[in-house]
Amino acid sequence: EPEVTQTPSHQVTQMGQEVILRCVPISNHLYFYWYRQILGQKVEFLVSFYNNEISEKSEIFDDQFSVERPDGSNFTLKIRSTKLEDSAMYFCASRSGTARNQPQHFGDGTRLSIL
Amino acid sequence: GIQVEQSPPDLILQEGANSTLRCNFSDSVNNLQWFHQNPWGQLINLFYIPSGTKQNGRLSATTVATERYSLLYISSSQTTDSGVYFCAVLISFNAGNMLTFGGGTRLMVKP
Repeated sequence: EPEVTQTPSHQVTQMGQEVILRCVPISNHLYFYWYRQILGQKVEFLVSFYNNEISEKSEIFDDQFSVERPDGSNFTLKIRSTKLEDSAMYFCASRSGTARNQPQHFGDGTRLSIL
Repeated sequence: GIQVEQSPPDLILQEGANSTLRCNFSDSVNNLQWFHQNPWGQLINLFYIPSGTKQNGRLSATTVATERYSLLYISSSQTTDSGVYFCAVLISFNAGNMLTFGGGTRLMVKP
């Protein structure tokens, strides 16, 4: 079964540094998402992306965050200047475009630790 | 925004016992997914269930959309069932949709 792939599985970064989290969505999917889960809390929506632009974003997704689909396969989340509170598990998800209520398929996550 | 409440927040079972996890949501939704988050943090998709009942092995789920709740049944629980169970409801907007997650039920199955 096709999978969403995320790299790296664990990223440790100094506060203030830029970090890029990478995702390879399922190949024929058209909608892409990032979610965040702070340790011990629930999963929170960050941003959705379709047709090379952001279609929706949450209050968490401020100017420090950006997303990009640099080529036909990768989908990235960049945090410009990391803060301690950015430490979390980041999940990428994708879904097909055949119908609006199709399920989202999640990757295994990247655990981001800010020191 | 929509509220998603899960109960109970914590559950301890003896291996072999059955359990029912509940998910209530405050508004109409386009769909609902149940996930199991394992000890490594991975989100495993269990069910995609807008309405009705589905079964997969020892797990089954029922969603009654008109009454805004969903139930996840675990029968003959095993220690590998331990972890956090999340329900997430699908909200559609102009260009797509997003999932809103509940707070989860933390399950521990003891041998």
